[in-house]
Amino acid sequence: QLQLQESGPGLVKPSETLSLTCTVSGGSISSSSYYWGWIRQPPGKGLEWIGSIYYSGSTYYNPSLKSRVTISVDTSKNQFSLKLTSVTAADTAVYYCARLDGGYGSGTLPRWGQGTLVTVSS
Amino acid sequence: SYELTQPPSVSVSPGQTARITCSGNALPKQYAYWYQQKPGQAPVLLMYKDSERPSGIPERFSGSSSGTTVTLTISGVQAEDEADYYCQSADSSGTYKVVFGGGTKLTVL
Repeated sequence: QLQLQESGPGLVKPSETLSLTCTVSGGSISSSSYYWGWIRQPPGKGLEWIGSIYYSGSTYYNPSLKSRVTISVDTSKNQFSLKLTSVTAADTAVYYCARLDGGYGSGTLPRWGQGTLVTVSS
Repeated sequence: SYELTQPPSVSVSPGQTARITCSGNALPKQYAYWYQQKPGQAPVLLMYKDSERPSGIPERFSGSSSGTTVTLTISGVQAEDEADYYCQSADSSGTYKVVFGGGTKLTVL
């Protein structure tokens, strides 16, 4: 059974960089069938797609976040990572990683990590 | 930007039918997906490609599409169905690969 697990600091200071890693177990991140994505959810609010990556390193980003986001993949560790720069309180959210089934970065999200809360505060 | 519009809330009594709509200009060309999210939990896929149900999802959940609107129907609503429901799709230009609706809170009276 495929599992995804987010990890990283739960507290980040304003203007600094948020860094999270998603570890995939029970399956290979190098599968040609899937993209891998990051989604976030501010407390009490809805879901927002951040971006997606293919095992080859091809990425798609939400245009509203593109200038601050970098998603990378490490196939040797079966992990993919998120970096979000210049964070503010508005970036406080539960961050989820997920598998994306579809082509060219679009499709459905049948598998999600449990999510990790990241708070931006000094 | 591209938006998917959902009603903020829907309320039904147990045993009744709940319908949650999602509207977007690209929906005639793009598949829609539905997720259920309960408090403190990650979203769970309920429906893919407008009306396909993943294994393990009860038959009382169904999906349909008509023009720029897709609908999630829950027949014979149960108390355990109280949750937030999100639709997801993409725009037609390829710019927004994944877009979520604002979510609908289903209350079982």
